Amino acid sequence: NAGVTQTPKFRILKIGQSMTLQCAQDMNHNYMYWYRQDPGMGLKLIYYSVGAGITDKGEVPNGYNVSRSTTEDFPLRLELAAPSQTSVYFCARPEARQGGSTDTQYFGPGTRLTVL
Amino acid sequence: GEDVEQSLFLSVREGDSSVINCTYTDSSSTYLYWYKQEPGAGLQLLTYIFSNMDMKQDQRLTVLLNKKDKHLSLRIADTQTGDSAIYFCADLSGGSYIPTFGRGTSLIVHP
Repeated sequence: NAGVTQTPKFRILKIGQSMTLQCAQDMNHNYMYWYRQDPGMGLKLIYYSVGAGITDKGEVPNGYNVSRSTTEDFPLRLELAAPSQTSVYFCARPEARQGGSTDTQYFGPGTRLTVL
Repeated sequence: GEDVEQSLFLSVREGDSSVINCTYTDSSSTYLYWYKQEPGAGLQLLTYIFSNMDMKQDQRLTVLLNKKDKHLSLRIADTQTGDSAIYFCADLSGGSYIPTFGRGTSLIVHP
């Protein structure tokens, strides 16, 4: 997963604390995404970005904020952590495939967050 | 909104074939994907099929698409313990960059 890096890999937060999950891509792709994965629930899109300075809400944006000041970075911010935000968070970018099409997604290794 | 459905679990014996099924509702899907997620890792693209295809074979993997019934399947021949993982089905509509994912099927391979 070298194409998308995420830090930290693990984090434990107390209720009400804040943190930023970092995501960086190695390509200059305009699109980037943040998902959360809960057991048996698949992937839920939190936020996505279509380019530097442009972000939009996904399916489950409440409790999160994002920014996209550069094409490379797409950090996800939790302002007041809640137990319901315990999850695994994945950042993704489109993946260039044969013929140059970029319609699949390339995922980072994930950040495992526990809120106690 | 659009939906992608998968069964949550599948258990097979090592050496048998596994068939993971998926149904979707988006009639404008142009691409359908299978991702594999091993424990503690992110999702990795396993294979994909264009919506104008009925079948795609890639070594031990066979993808079948029934567009009329909006049904996608992934067959893994000679299933090995290393195939134990969660398999996600996803679809993408034409012009969209946001795929819809299923909940994932946990494949358990036992001796």
